Amino acid sequence: DIQMTQSPSSLSASIGDRVTITCQASQDINDDLNWFQQIPGKAPKVLIYGASILQTGVPSRFSGSGSGTDFSLTISSLQPEDLATYYCQQYHNLPLTFGGGTIVDIK
Amino acid sequence: QVQLVQSGAEVRRPGASVKVSCKVSGYSLTAISMHWVRQAPGKGLEWMGGFAPEDGETVYAQRFQGRVTMTEDTSTDTAYMELSSLRSEDTAVYYCATAPYNSLALEFWGQGALVTVSS
Repeated sequence: DIQMTQSPSSLSASIGDRVTITCQASQDINDDLNWFQQIPGKAPKVLIYGASILQTGVPSRFSGSGSGTDFSLTISSLQPEDLATYYCQQYHNLPLTFGGGTIVDIK
Repeated sequence: QVQLVQSGAEVRRPGASVKVSCKVSGYSLTAISMHWVRQAPGKGLEWMGGFAPEDGETVYAQRFQGRVTMTEDTSTDTAYMELSSLRSEDTAVYYCATAPYNSLALEFWGQGALVTVSS
């Protein structure tokens, strides 16, 4: 199984800050990576697919980069509504696996 | 756009079974791939199984083999996930999620169904 290691596990930042979350795959997954946002009490929502492609309707302050084994999600200017847990997920092969999640808190 | 509406919360005794449904609208079930993911309270996301395009059939995560059955009723565009021999550790929110037919990239999610296993 492909292991996905996310860091940090949590962070606290101020409104307007630039925030970066990283995700490392245990083997090469090309760009077969999703980033999800999960607001407390809600289902996950896809932000980025193909490692760097913004899902329709997602604000442009979100961006993804990386290929192979190392990936990142960046929020260019943190907003109050970005309070959530963020997960990476590989879909290179089965079983589908997720990172452990990053809790983003607003200072 | 695909919309997924799941059945409601369930409470079961240890050893019992539960069947969660997921009604698809906006797309035919035959044109998408269905997957199931669960989330224990305060924990991360765990894939349980789903359609494998390369195999042309549903594949289950090893830890659920023998206990889970995923089925589809194409006449009503409804998918089902049944988990048997329930134990307290199976208490979780169960999500259905879809991917494009020939892809594993999860895209649309149901609202989730809380299953509580308690004596």
